[in-house]
Amino acid sequence: EVQLVESGGGLVQPGRSLKLSCAASGFTFSNYGMAWVCQAPTKGLEWVASISTGGGNTYYRDSVKGRFTISRDNAKNTLYLQMDSLRSEDTATYYCARQAGAPFDYWGQGVMVTVSS
Amino acid sequence: DIQMTQSPSFLSASVGDRVTINCKASQNINKYLNWYQQKLGEAPKRLIYNTNNLQTGIPSRFSGSGSGTDYTLTISSLQPEDFATYFCLQHNSFPLTFGSGTKLEIK
Repeated sequence: EVQLVESGGGLVQPGRSLKLSCAASGFTFSNYGMAWVCQAPTKGLEWVASISTGGGNTYYRDSVKGRFTISRDNAKNTLYLQMDSLRSEDTATYYCARQAGAPFDYWGQGVMVTVSS
Repeated sequence: DIQMTQSPSFLSASVGDRVTINCKASQNINKYLNWYQQKLGEAPKRLIYNTNNLQTGIPSRFSGSGSGTDYTLTISSLQPEDFATYFCLQHNSFPLTFGSGTKLEIK
């Protein structure tokens, strides 16, 4: 059974950093691109970043370029999102999701990030 | 960036009704269009990928169609468990963009 389990969320002050993790199981992690998608409270979905199978190619939405870094450790079956210089508008639930040809066939349960002083 | 205009934002319908939800892209997205269902407090679930391919395990009352810039999700006969919010996603090019969502409510 495919499982994606996010962790690392919480309350953080503006300007500070946070690192999210997504532990994958039930499939060969290194064979799939992965991504982060966020959803602000009562709002719609926004794609944040994607990473290729080996990690060599990464893609970001404009609003997080230079602040967020997506990475992966295929030996540990884990996806990461390093979030620096956080802003109040980054407050959202962050989901990791698997890309299988067409995105996103499996999603984690989500982790909440709140940026507030 | 490709903008996805989804309509309607809200839809009130009854069990057994046939409903359609639309997404219009700001440019040709070559059928790279997925549909997702999200229930309150849950992660989204993929229903349809690449316009008309039914995700494994999804009931056949869900179907998708479209081409170019215009795409449609159809639910042929609404069931009680279908009342949720639906989103489209274009994956023709980065940045990937979602529609704003359609909340399907019980009439």
